[in-house]
Amino acid sequence: GEDVEQSLFLSVREGDSSVINCTYTDSSSTYLYWYKQEPGAGLQLLTYIFSNMDMKQDQRLTVLLNKKDKHLSLRIADTQTGDSAIYFCAEIEGSASKIIFGSGTRLSIRP
Amino acid sequence: DGGITQSPKYLFRKEGQNVTLSCEQNLNHDAMYWYRQDPGQGLRLIYYSQIVNDFQKGDIAEGYSVSREKKESFPLTVTSAQKNPTAFYLCASSRQDTEIEQFFGPGTRLTVL
Repeated sequence: GEDVEQSLFLSVREGDSSVINCTYTDSSSTYLYWYKQEPGAGLQLLTYIFSNMDMKQDQRLTVLLNKKDKHLSLRIADTQTGDSAIYFCAEIEGSASKIIFGSGTRLSIRP
Repeated sequence: DGGITQSPKYLFRKEGQNVTLSCEQNLNHDAMYWYRQDPGQGLRLIYYSQIVNDFQKGDIAEGYSVSREKKESFPLTVTSAQKNPTAFYLCASSRQDTEIEQFFGPGTRLTVL
């Protein structure tokens, strides 16, 4: 079945860029998402990208999509302590309405 | 304020008891979803509903039941048949089942003692 994979942890220094990577398997996905989850809270949609796009930029966030390799990345420029959270990559399943989530990457910021 | 509410935030139950988790939305969304989150894992879909009085099983529906009698409400019952019920439960909704964004509630942490 469909699968979304991402590494579990990432540690970066405050002010540096963070790059969170994700691979997915469903080539028919129309949308790919990045969600953010702060401790003990629900998920918040950060950004999404249509499958016919290669890049999307939104302030400090840059999403890159490589459809050939089924690879999605999220770059956070000038990472701040408030960016500490779990980041979930997700894809919408083919023709259905289901969203498939990765396991989440816990981003920690060191001074 | 529009949004999704889940109550309670924390819930404790004894093993063998059924428990119902509440999820209410005032966003006028048609579709609603229940997910389970375990440490180090992504969200797994339990049940979803695209319209009132209709719902479908997700990937891990065994031991759970839902109802959708009203558009605003989608309660989840964790039954005693669920072998490992302790988890963080998240409810979400979207305008229709193909809408881009799912809006999430704050979650309910269920601990079964």
